[in-house]
Amino acid sequence: GAVVSQHPSRVICKSGTSVKIECRSLDFQATTMFWYRQFPKQSLMLMATSNEGSKATYEQGVEKDKFLINHASLTLSTLTVTSAHPEDSSFYICSASRLSINYNSPLHFGNGTRLTVT
Amino acid sequence: QKEVEQDPGPLSVPEGAIVSLNCTYSNSAFQYFMWYRQYSRKGPELLMYTYSSGNKEDGRFTAQVDKSSKYISLFIRDSQPSDSATYLCAMKGQGGSEKLVFGKGTKLTVNP
Repeated sequence: GAVVSQHPSRVICKSGTSVKIECRSLDFQATTMFWYRQFPKQSLMLMATSNEGSKATYEQGVEKDKFLINHASLTLSTLTVTSAHPEDSSFYICSASRLSINYNSPLHFGNGTRLTVT
Repeated sequence: QKEVEQDPGPLSVPEGAIVSLNCTYSNSAFQYFMWYRQYSRKGPELLMYTYSSGNKEDGRFTAQVDKSSKYISLFIRDSQPSDSATYLCAMKGQGGSEKLVFGKGTKLTVNP
């Protein structure tokens, strides 16, 4: 089955620094990947849609200059949290599907990255 | 009214019980319905994926979709302690630009 790998699983950083999170599709090409944020006991909130070879599409209220997304290849998307602050502490999850084959393929998720900003 | 409603629970059952998890929705354009299982501090894992109305069975899991009532269910037979997790329903309309809409998730505990 499809597998999505996300790294790192946990990261602790100081306020003001930047953190990069990687999302890879391991056995299929993903022209589109999605980045979610999840707060404790809450559902997933879509942050942005990452498109290979083009700019990401951000959801309303998500700062594109703070959450930089790069989808440089068909198997890799990165999310960089720039100048992180404690309020950015959260669980970030990426997902991908075989959209290039079937627009309605289900999404498969990475195991998430727990970001703590001190 | 939210697009997808899901009772957050928590739901606690004894081992071996049949578990019923449900979601209701308001958008009649939804065509694809999914159930995800999420363990603590992990990403969601796809359990079931169905299109339109009907039933789908996979081992101890059965997904039902009733589009006329805008109601979907996930049944877990012979529940096990390892089934303890949060279960998220998700759904989307037709087409690649349609976003996946999630329920808030139901936290399930199966007691040995």
